[in-house]
Amino acid sequence: GQNIDQPTEMTATEGAIVQINCTYQTSGFNGLFWYQQHAGEAPTFLSYNVLDGLEEKGRFSSFLSRSKGYSYLLLKELQMKDSASYLCAVGPWGDYKLSFGAGTTVTVRA
Amino acid sequence: DGGITQSPKYLFRKEGQNVTLSCEQNLNHDAMYWYRQDPGQGLRLIYYSHIVNDFQKGDIAEGYSVSREKKESFPLTVTSAQKNPTAFYLCASRETGEKLFFGSGTQLSVL
Repeated sequence: GQNIDQPTEMTATEGAIVQINCTYQTSGFNGLFWYQQHAGEAPTFLSYNVLDGLEEKGRFSSFLSRSKGYSYLLLKELQMKDSASYLCAVGPWGDYKLSFGAGTTVTVRA
Repeated sequence: DGGITQSPKYLFRKEGQNVTLSCEQNLNHDAMYWYRQDPGQGLRLIYYSHIVNDFQKGDIAEGYSVSREKKESFPLTVTSAQKNPTAFYLCASRETGEKLFFGSGTQLSVL
């Protein structure tokens, strides 16, 4: 099975940096996704990591360490619109199953 | 435009009633998924399917049923056995190793 852990809530100030951690245990590994979700809306795709290392996309970066079962999402130059829930999802190798963590609610304050 | 269509947007269920949520995709994706989301919570996998006429239980399949008679369609039935059905239901699809595309969701409430 899969066990995915994320912190429940994080608060940061506009313009700051926040790092959201995700640890997972899965039978095999087939990639890790990060999604952003605003209240009442469907999740939107942020990043997909298959190999170890850091991937940067503008203000958002995602890191993966497969040996440690660990990933983080880094949000830089925080804006008020970044206030949302951030979801980590993992899929096991050889299976289409894709399970999500409980999500981390980020609140950006002025 | 390609995408995933869920209907209805809002649905109400009476005691003892079965209700069916529709999900249609024109992205030609093989895999389709149903997730349930309770307020302030993450997404929990109900059922998924990677090929027509085949599907697998997710983490919370009890009280739900699905079918996959066509590649583009993956309807979810919430049966009367599901005692706490009030939630936001999300359908998604993807190709192998690619990102999930989500529908806009259905909010199910109990009358």
